[in-house]
Amino acid sequence: AQTVTQSQPEMSVQEAETVTLSCTYDTSESDYYLFWYKQPPSRQMILVIRQEAYKQQNATENRFSVNFQKAAKSFSLKISDSQLGDAAMYFCAYRSPAYSGAGSYQLTFGKGTKLSVIP
Amino acid sequence: EPEVTQTPSHQVTQMGQEVILRCVPISNHLYFYWYRQILGQKVEFLVSFYNNEISEKSEIFDDQFSVERPDGSNFTLKIRSTKLEDSAMYFCASSELGGAAEQYFGPGTRLTVT
Repeated sequence: AQTVTQSQPEMSVQEAETVTLSCTYDTSESDYYLFWYKQPPSRQMILVIRQEAYKQQNATENRFSVNFQKAAKSFSLKISDSQLGDAAMYFCAYRSPAYSGAGSYQLTFGKGTKLSVIP
Repeated sequence: EPEVTQTPSHQVTQMGQEVILRCVPISNHLYFYWYRQILGQKVEFLVSFYNNEISEKSEIFDDQFSVERPDGSNFTLKIRSTKLEDSAMYFCASSELGGAAEQYFGPGTRLTVT
């Protein structure tokens, strides 16, 4: 079974600075998807960024980028120019490939990292 | 932009009662999911649903739980004989068929069992 580990329960960053959130995972599959979800105090889950394992290029979405190290099974999220609105819980998630045959594509989440942004 | 909606936003029920949590997935999505998040813990998969049947379920999803798509738009989670430990945030999600990997989550229903 796949597992996702987020070793930083809490992080803080000064406004306008850069912060990196760590995530490692364990899988025997060679193809899969990885995601970062943001959960603000409203508790809604918002997709931040996704990465396909077969792509070597790291995904980028505006101020959010990932450092995907497949051999190390590491998937960190970098937030540049941090804003007050970035304060939230951030969850790393794993999903099996579409052809896995499970038919469900369930997400496996880590325990999350609580990010605080200091004005 | 299309979004997943859930009702109610907060449900309070007494132990032993039945509750139905409702979700309206994004209209062109074909896969539907329920996840649960107990306060302070990680989000856990409960069940996935495709083509009017359960495609996969977790160990949490026992006989106490059931899902249904009663019409063309709603997707429901029924919890029979609720227990205190069922208190959690319940998230509905949906995704397209055809290889798209993103699951779009609703705002959640906070279930409190007293």
